[in-house]
Amino acid sequence: NAGVTQTPKFRVLKTGQSMTLLCAQDMNHEYMYWYRQDPGMGLRLIHYSVGEGTTAKGEVPDGYNVSRLKKQNFLLGLESAAPSQTSVYFCASLGGQTYEQYFGPGTRLTVT
Amino acid sequence: GQNIDQPTEMTATEGAIVQINCTYQTSGFNGLFWYQQHAGEAPTFLSYNVLDGLEEKGRFSSFLSRSKGYSYLLLKELQMKDSASYLCAVRVWPTEGNTPLVFGKGTRLSVIA
Repeated sequence: NAGVTQTPKFRVLKTGQSMTLLCAQDMNHEYMYWYRQDPGMGLRLIHYSVGEGTTAKGEVPDGYNVSRLKKQNFLLGLESAAPSQTSVYFCASLGGQTYEQYFGPGTRLTVT
Repeated sequence: GQNIDQPTEMTATEGAIVQINCTYQTSGFNGLFWYQQHAGEAPTFLSYNVLDGLEEKGRFSSFLSRSKGYSYLLLKELQMKDSASYLCAVRVWPTEGNTPLVFGKGTRLSVIA
């Protein structure tokens, strides 16, 4: 099993450009999450999904959209990137005996 | 609101024991997690407590007191590879205004020889 994978690993965008981050998991987990991690701020939840076709807002959803068309994939979109969205983005899915979160390797995004 | 506090940085000596504390004020508590995160890598699961008491897993132990809103992670026989950030996270019920898992800002542990 690959676990949770993220594409791409690195990306540089100019202000106003758009992009989509892809998260995929092969563990048949229902719940999936998108976080951003910034120095001194910890992990903050952007959006999450409790199943195929459902999404919900987290703590910092503004400027992002998500879609969960297939159970194994969770997409994070930036329609018009801003420098404040420079961050490391982590995707996670929920499973295991204690329902812990499994994290992907992260995407490092820089917006100039 | 949700609030989780843990020290920003700690330093300990190789072979020693270190305790990382976490206090929380959240609604609808449904479990506390500890994660380890090495620099430039993803967080990995260490431990889970939902009932009061101590959970031991090898060199790592985690304690929870729900009445005090308090947890700690105990690392024994410290090794250089234990240098990492340790994240405390609380799971709350996904009610309006709450998020499923709330993370503290992490404690950066440096193990020195």
